Amino acid sequence: QVQLQESGPGLVKPSETLSLTCTVSGASVTSSSYYWSWIRQPPGKGLAWIGHIYYTGGSNYNPSLKSRVTISVDKSKNQFSLKLSSVTAADTAVYYCARDNRNGAARRFDYWGQGTLVTVSS
Amino acid sequence: SYELTQPPSVSVSPGQTASITCSGDTLGDKYASWFQQKPGQSPVLVIYQDSKRPSGISERFSGSNSGNTATLTISGTLAMDEADYYCQAWVSSTYVFGTGTKVTVL
Repeated sequence: QVQLQESGPGLVKPSETLSLTCTVSGASVTSSSYYWSWIRQPPGKGLAWIGHIYYTGGSNYNPSLKSRVTISVDKSKNQFSLKLSSVTAADTAVYYCARDNRNGAARRFDYWGQGTLVTVSS
Repeated sequence: SYELTQPPSVSVSPGQTASITCSGDTLGDKYASWFQQKPGQSPVLVIYQDSKRPSGISERFSGSNSGNTATLTISGTLAMDEADYYCQAWVSSTYVFGTGTKVTVL
């Protein structure tokens, strides 16, 4: 059974760096079949894709966040991580990690973590 | 940047059919997915590759995609289908989500 679990601070100060980790069980981050994504949802608003990473280290990011985002993978721990720099209140959101399945003709997010709320406030 | 537009809300009576549209430029040339999200829960994939259902998803959910519009159809709607629904597509090496539709079962 595939499970993803986000972890990290729930409160970050403005201008600092938000750091989250997603621990994967039941699947390997080194599988050639999957990318690993971060998605966020501000309170009461819609979903927004942040970016994803492949086990080789290849990544893609949302152009609107690209200058502030780094996603990395730790194969030894079967984890992947998100860093978002220079945060403001607009970065307050529930952050989800998700498996990005590239098997078959179409990609899809087939497993999601439970989400973690990160609040940016002094 | 690419945008996917959904109606903010759709109302449906129990047992009836609900249709949710997702509009985007030449969306029919791309694959669309649909997610259901209930309050306080993570999104759940209900349709991918325009019309495929993941294992465990009810046959009441179906999808289509042509031209500039993808459509999610919920047949025989149940009270448990009340949720927010988001479409999503892979465009120019990025994922784009729709604006979201709140489905209310009256």
